[in-house]
Amino acid sequence: AQSVTQPDIHITVSEGASLELRCNYSYGATPYLFWYVQSPGQGLQLLLKYFSGDTLVQGIKGFEAEFKRSQSSFNLRKPSVHWSDAAEYFCAVAPFGNEKLTFGTGTRLTIIP
Amino acid sequence: NAGVTQTPKFQVLKTGQSMTLQCAQDMNHEYMSWYRQDPGMGLRLIHYSVGAGITDQGEVPNGYNVSRSTTEDFPLRLLSAAPSQTSVYFCASTPTGRNYEQYFGPGTRLTVT
Repeated sequence: AQSVTQPDIHITVSEGASLELRCNYSYGATPYLFWYVQSPGQGLQLLLKYFSGDTLVQGIKGFEAEFKRSQSSFNLRKPSVHWSDAAEYFCAVAPFGNEKLTFGTGTRLTIIP
Repeated sequence: NAGVTQTPKFQVLKTGQSMTLQCAQDMNHEYMSWYRQDPGMGLRLIHYSVGAGITDQGEVPNGYNVSRSTTEDFPLRLLSAAPSQTSVYFCASTPTGRNYEQYFGPGTRLTVT
């Protein structure tokens, strides 16, 4: 069965600084990979997804993620964070041909002025 | 479109009571699912449906029932609530042909005392 690890429970970043959130997956083949964001008191919103092809994918709100097969990673990045990026971020994986997502435990992002 | 709607937003139950969490979507999505979110555990799939009349179990189905009589509605029933079911519940739907792009509702916060 597939699994997802987000090693950082909580990250604090200064506004304007760069951001990288880590995600590692375990799966026999290349799965479909996703990043979702959850603002306080809200449901989850899809930031970006990777199915195949170019390993650097662009998402909404200025986020990008890079798939690295050799490291089984799919880290999320943003060059300059804004206070509105404060939220919880979830990495998720789905086997090919299966809509059943497996989520990581999430990383809470705090932005300081 | 209203998107994915969930009612109620908050609910307190006593142990042994039953209730139904409502989920509806007006986007004609075939795939719908229910998750529960617990601190430090991310989201876990309870039940899902690939279309009207078809449901299946997810990772944590015990204590929950679902049915899908229409494309729009996917209610989640707790037959005999237990304190272990205290959680935030999210419903999600996926557009046909755009697998994995799950649209989440705002959630229902359930407390069982």
